[in-house]
Amino acid sequence: GQNIDQPTEMTATEGAIVQINCTYQTSGFNGLFWYQQHAGEAPTFLSYNVLDGLEEKGRFSSFLSRSKGYSYLLLKELQMKDSASYLCAVRDSNYQLIWGAGTKLIIKP
Amino acid sequence: NAGVTQTPKFRILKIGQSMTLQCAQDMNHNYMYWYRQDPGMGLKLIYYSVGAGITDKGEVPNGYNVSRSTTEDFPLRLELAAPSQTSVYFCASGLGGDKGETQYFGPGTRLLVL
Repeated sequence: GQNIDQPTEMTATEGAIVQINCTYQTSGFNGLFWYQQHAGEAPTFLSYNVLDGLEEKGRFSSFLSRSKGYSYLLLKELQMKDSASYLCAVRDSNYQLIWGAGTKLIIKP
Repeated sequence: NAGVTQTPKFRILKIGQSMTLQCAQDMNHNYMYWYRQDPGMGLKLIYYSVGAGITDKGEVPNGYNVSRSTTEDFPLRLELAAPSQTSVYFCASGLGGDKGETQYFGPGTRLLVL
C-alpha cells in the first residue's frame, strides 16, 4: 500500500528553527510537495522536490532523499504566523498526489 | 483572477438528502480534483478530471458523482447523504500530469450530515 508518515504535532519557539520530517512508501515517485494549511483554510503550496537535495525559498527549505524515501521541511526564524499544519504529499506513478495526515506546528512566544 | 471558487461555504444536510457542491476555476487548468479532509486525516481524492468531458475515480468515490462539461466547472454531487460524508470538501485545479505545477485549492465546503 501507499503510506506517508509525518509527526502529528510539534512545538517550537518564536525565532527558532524547526524541522518537520516526512517518510513515504508509494507506488512510483514523481515529486514531493509541501503545503501549509492554516486552521479552517485551504492548503497552499510551499515547495516541490523531484531531485535529491535541498531547495531553499526564503525562510523555508525542503530536502529530499529518494533512496531513503525521506524529506524534511526546515523553517527558520519562526514567526507566530507559521503556526499551521504542514502537509507532505507525494505524486505517484499515476501522477496523483498521496497525502500525509499533516503535522500541526505550534509556535510559542 | 478569482482562482478556485467553491460554493456553498457551509451546509447541513439530513440523511438521504442530495446536494451539489460547486467548483469553478478561471486559470484555464485542464486538471481538476475533489478531495475530502476528515479531522486529523490527510486529503483523500474523490474524483478527478483531466479535461472537459473526462472524469475518473479517485481513492474514495463511493456515494459521489461528478461531471465536467466545461473546462471551468467541476461540480460534485452527493445523491443520498450519509453521516460518513460529514467532512470538509476541497476542490483543486492544476496543470497536472508530469508538469511540476502545483495544485491550487478552493476555500472548501464544510458539510455536516445529521
